[in-house]
Amino acid sequence: NAGVTQTPKFRVLKTGQSMTLLCAQDMNHEYMYWYRQDPGMGLRLIHYSVGEGTTAKGEVPDGYNVSRLKKQNFLLGLESAAPSQTSVYFCASSYSTSGDSTDTQYFGPGTRLTVL
Amino acid sequence: AQKITQTQPGMFVQEKEAVTLDCTYDTSDPSYGLFWYKQPSSGEMIFLIYQGSYDQQNATEGRYSLNFQKARKSANLVISASQLGDSAMYFCAMGRLTGTASKLTFGTGTRLQVTL
Repeated sequence: NAGVTQTPKFRVLKTGQSMTLLCAQDMNHEYMYWYRQDPGMGLRLIHYSVGEGTTAKGEVPDGYNVSRLKKQNFLLGLESAAPSQTSVYFCASSYSTSGDSTDTQYFGPGTRLTVL
Repeated sequence: AQKITQTQPGMFVQEKEAVTLDCTYDTSDPSYGLFWYKQPSSGEMIFLIYQGSYDQQNATEGRYSLNFQKARKSANLVISASQLGDSAMYFCAMGRLTGTASKLTFGTGTRLQVTL
């Protein structure tokens, strides 16, 4: 099992450009999450999903959109990138109805995004 | 609202010694989970240990144990017999238990350096 994978690993954008980050998990998890990590801070939740076709806002959703068209994938979109969105982005997944009941979140390796 | 406080920005420990990383939390939820994650210099977030608010015994996972004191709202991580590979950032986090998507709230982290 690959666990949680993220594509791409690194990306540099110019202000105003758009991009999509892809997260994939092979653990049959119901829930998926997108976080961002900034220097000196813990992770902050951007958006999350409790199942295919559903999404919800987290703590810092402005400037981002998400979609969960398939259970195993969770996409994070930046429509018009800003320098304030320079960060490391982590995807996570949790909760299998037939497995771990603690709702432990397992993280992908992260995507380092720089917006110039 | 949930809040996690990690008051130690950095810690040093000698190899083979034990070390305690502090974590205090605040929440109005009657049930919750507490998590510790390790982030090495390579950047990934690695799940270490989980403690449920109703668990009677402190959680242990190999060299990791969680000193859970509910009345004091603390969930300190104890690493026994430190190894050089334990050098990393350590994050404490909390979330609700299963039933809803567990949106994790993270602390700001403690950087642990293991010395010879």
